[in-house]
Amino acid sequence: GDSVTQMEGPVTLSEEAFLTINCTYTATGYPSLFWYVQYPGEGLQLLLKATKADDKGSNKGFEATYRKETTSFHLEKGSVQVSDSAVYFCALLEYGNKLVFGAGTILRVKS
Amino acid sequence: DTGVSQNPRHKITKRGQNVTFRCDPISEHNRLYWYRQTLGQGPEFLTYFQNEAQLEKSRLLSDRFSAERPKGSFSTLEIQRTEQGDSAMYLCASSFGGADTGELFFGEGSRLTVL
Repeated sequence: GDSVTQMEGPVTLSEEAFLTINCTYTATGYPSLFWYVQYPGEGLQLLLKATKADDKGSNKGFEATYRKETTSFHLEKGSVQVSDSAVYFCALLEYGNKLVFGAGTILRVKS
Repeated sequence: DTGVSQNPRHKITKRGQNVTFRCDPISEHNRLYWYRQTLGQGPEFLTYFQNEAQLEKSRLLSDRFSAERPKGSFSTLEIQRTEQGDSAMYLCASSFGGADTGELFFGEGSRLTVL
């Protein structure tokens, strides 16, 4: 079946550092791709999405580009803040209308 | 607050007991999902409803698990004869629309601990 693999965490960065969280996927077709974020004590929420190859999703300074040739959807941010500390989940929308999630990557940003 | 609401937030039970979780989705959302999340893992799909119809169930959903959405509004997830392996966070999410956009709104989850 379809699957998502994320880089293991935790990722610990200083404030204003550059962030990359790697995500690769395996799918039989061309799924839509997502990043969800879970802040401490809150439910998961959609951060950004891309629905086709070469699409770039962006939100709150985060970006990710759908790369079909490398089956990747890496999350990037140019300058992280302490408030970005959270768990980040990469996901794909499988045929049949269900999201398949990666294991999540913990991000810790120090001031 | 009109977000997705789940109750109870935490349930501790003894092995063999039955437990029931409730989810109240965002009111205009016609789709409702249940996921399970264990420590260090991402959410795993269990089942989903469109209105009151249960359209898909994962193989993870053994016959001890049953979910309902009787009037197309709130949903319940019941686990019978709980086992220690059922200990997890049970997440509910809802969405609106015909073709699924993958944009789900999640509740904060119900944590089950089976002793």
